[in-house]
Amino acid sequence: GDSVTQMEGPVTLSEEAFLTINCTYTATGYPSLFWYVQYPGEGLQLLLKATKADDKGSNKGFEATYRKETTSFHLEKGSVQVSDSAVYFCALIGTNTGNQFYFGTGTSLTVIP
Amino acid sequence: DGGITQSPKYLFRKEGQNVTLSCEQNLNHDAMYWYRQDPGQGLRLIYYSQIVNDFQKGDIAEGYSVSREKKESFPLTVTSAQKNPTAFYLCASSQRRGGEQYFGPGTRLTVT
Repeated sequence: GDSVTQMEGPVTLSEEAFLTINCTYTATGYPSLFWYVQYPGEGLQLLLKATKADDKGSNKGFEATYRKETTSFHLEKGSVQVSDSAVYFCALIGTNTGNQFYFGTGTSLTVIP
Repeated sequence: DGGITQSPKYLFRKEGQNVTLSCEQNLNHDAMYWYRQDPGQGLRLIYYSQIVNDFQKGDIAEGYSVSREKKESFPLTVTSAQKNPTAFYLCASSQRRGGEQYFGPGTRLTVT
């Protein structure tokens, strides 16, 4: 079935470091891909999305490119800030599985000054 | 402001009691969802509803019940049959099934 695999956390970076959080997926058909962010004690917020191969989603300095050849949707940011400390979830909507949403297990990021 | 509200933010109950978590949306979305989140785990789908008066079980529906009498509201009841009810519960909605989901702030339920 459809699934999403994220890199294990936690990740700790210094302010202004480069961030990559890996996400790969398994899906039949042509899923849409998402990154959500969860700040402590809050719900999830949509960070960015891509709906077809080679699309790049971007928001607040974060980017991710939908790579069908490697079935990946890695999240990147060139210079992280303390305020980026949160848990990041990769997710997909499968097109062949009743449009169900599948979430990764989340990657915790802590940015230290 | 359009959005999803969940209340209360924190809820405490004694074992053996049923408890109902509230979820309301004013986004005019057709589909609504309930997820459970445990530490170190991803989100697991409990129930979802695509239209009023219809709902479907998700991956972990045992010990939970829902109703969808109004488009805006999708309350979740955690029954005494749920063996490990202590968790963070998230409600979400989407314009239609398969659309991007918008989340409420969550309710943290503690059962002792």
